[in-house]
Amino acid sequence: DAGITQSPRHKVTETGTPVTLRCHQTENHRYMYWYRQDPGHGLRLIHYSYGVKDTDKGEVSDGYSVSRSKTEDFLLTLESATSSQTSVYFCAASPGLGSNEQFFGPGTRLTVL
Amino acid sequence: QQQVKQSPQSLIVQKGGISIINCAYENTAFDYFPWYQQFPGKGPALLIAIRPDVSEKKEGRFTISFNKSAKQFSLHIMDSQPGDSATYFCAASPNAGNMLTFGGGTRLMVKP
Repeated sequence: DAGITQSPRHKVTETGTPVTLRCHQTENHRYMYWYRQDPGHGLRLIHYSYGVKDTDKGEVSDGYSVSRSKTEDFLLTLESATSSQTSVYFCAASPGLGSNEQFFGPGTRLTVL
Repeated sequence: QQQVKQSPQSLIVQKGGISIINCAYENTAFDYFPWYQQFPGKGPALLIAIRPDVSEKKEGRFTISFNKSAKQFSLHIMDSQPGDSATYFCAASPNAGNMLTFGGGTRLMVKP
């Protein structure tokens, strides 16, 4: 898993509250990604980062924001959580430089009541 | 818009049988086609990948077959084992970067 950790691993929150998920990597990979996994939809890209403070939107970015102040950390924030954001969230990292392989973290299960 | 379509959604195979999962893509700019394997409670992990300059790639019991003209690729698991029971995702990436577009996933169960 290339030293990728996610925290928290499980979270239950209420509609309207802000939530921040953290991804930490120890491999100094340039690219980092946040996905959500829902049954029948596979993994859908929320946001990605191609360097410190360089981020861009993915396929399902509405309601989410990200920040990357250090190479090793990539934060995903739900400004005001909704029930439709109940999902399993995965962080991934990739070295780039001709390598397309992405290394995934263990996931965070988020439930919004 | 789902650019990578995967089938079937679920698959049950007897031990020793062949598991076959298919994917089709639309974007002709895709030139990297990996398969990821995910066990319950874990993140996906790269299993095997192919680029379109070859029609087949084999690693142990796992083979990718690639048909560029049909824009389709498939994963074959030979001599399937109960330990292969997992969810499998196909994906595709354009030559310009590292963005992966994933298929919807196939839950494979191999019965002993």
